[in-house]
Amino acid sequence: DTAVSQTPKYLVTQMGNDKSIKCEQNLGHDTMYWYKQDSKKFLKIMFSYNNKELIINETVPNRFSPKSPDKAHLNLHINSLELGDSAVYFCASSQDTGYNEQFFGPGTRLTVL
Amino acid sequence: QKEVEQDPGPLSVPEGAIVSLNCTYSNSAFQYFMWYRQYSRKGPELLMYTYSSGNKEDGRFTAQVDKSSKYISLFIRDSQPSDSATYLCAMSVISGTYKYIFGTGTRLKVLA
Repeated sequence: DTAVSQTPKYLVTQMGNDKSIKCEQNLGHDTMYWYKQDSKKFLKIMFSYNNKELIINETVPNRFSPKSPDKAHLNLHINSLELGDSAVYFCASSQDTGYNEQFFGPGTRLTVL
Repeated sequence: QKEVEQDPGPLSVPEGAIVSLNCTYSNSAFQYFMWYRQYSRKGPELLMYTYSSGNKEDGRFTAQVDKSSKYISLFIRDSQPSDSATYLCAMSVISGTYKYIFGTGTRLKVLA
């Protein structure tokens, strides 16, 4: 009965590789998010989609590309990985774009060597 | 200067203590204030939220907002070892895209 799930949970890869992280929510929510949490626990929004439409696109390198095939799924593809991309990436969802509770997934711990 | 500042801790307290966690912010447009709790290796989960200045109580937790000072606090009464976690404040304007701005989190350890 997992609400927001992410795969994989851990990802270790070499610099320069391309990788994807997948997110799915079974809450029937319209809005999904990607956050990056650095080693100091600072959580920063990267992207948000509402009903498959991109509504928040923070200043993120264009090596990062989100894709929402439907409103229950939001994937994150990262090209040409760099050391600084090492972080925990959290997917979240909320009922809509208003000030509703955001439900977070368990996170994907990405380590770039 | 970050929009939201939070003392990173760590904060260690004995079981039963009253804990005070604080955040300051610079954007006077913030109107929606939240506290999230994050256990180790887990995603954040919403603990409390409030829109207005003043206090809001939920069991052992009290959220306090002082908009004039741009300062919010979370008080935990009778702290328990199970409260050991990182506490993140978050805030948002209530128009537009409702982007949440998080503090850096305060790591709390409650000792049995």
